[in-house]
Amino acid sequence: GENVEQHPSTLSVQEGDSAVIKCTYSDSASNYFPWYKQELGKGPQLIIDIRSNVGEKKDQRIAVTLNKTAKHFSLHITETQPEDSAVYFCAASPGTYKYIFGTGTRLKVLA
Amino acid sequence: GAGVSQSPRYKVAKRGQDVALRCDPISGHVSLFWYQQALGQGPEFLTYFQNEAQLDKSGLPSDRFFAERPEGSVSTLKIQRTQQEDSAVYLCASSSKGTGDGYTFGSGTRLTVV
Repeated sequence: GENVEQHPSTLSVQEGDSAVIKCTYSDSASNYFPWYKQELGKGPQLIIDIRSNVGEKKDQRIAVTLNKTAKHFSLHITETQPEDSAVYFCAASPGTYKYIFGTGTRLKVLA
Repeated sequence: GAGVSQSPRYKVAKRGQDVALRCDPISGHVSLFWYQQALGQGPEFLTYFQNEAQLDKSGLPSDRFFAERPEGSVSTLKIQRTQQEDSAVYLCASSSKGTGDGYTFGSGTRLTVV
């Protein structure tokens, strides 16, 4: 079955700097890759997603890139702000209803 | 409703007790999912409903776990004879599509078994 690895587990950046979180997946059948942000005491919130027929997608300060050949995808946050501090999860889905999540990255944006 | 609502937010159970966790999905959402999130980990799939049909229960850890969605809206996850290893946050998600694209998660129920 699918296995998703996520790095780093923790990331501290200065406000205004960029943050990059990387994930790899194992199942070449996976074709949908969402990213979720989880704040303390809340459920995960979808922030951006990408499908396997697209190499990059951008939404304001957030972008996701996908390399199907290498089976890895990354989340890029530019101009980080204190409110970006949270735990971020990547996930992979083989075109069905089931998501396989990574283990999460705790992002701290230092003011 | 505006979002996925779960209740209770917190539940403390003594080992051996039965618990029932409730999920109110977004109105009209066909698909409903339950995930289990252990401390410091990503969510793990438990089960999937399309309307009232439970199409996949492969993630349920044991036969002590049971989920239902009798009228295709509200769902209940029941855990019988709770054990310490059941302590986790139980997340419910719903989607308007038959596939899982674009889940909306609830805030979860934090279950602590003592």
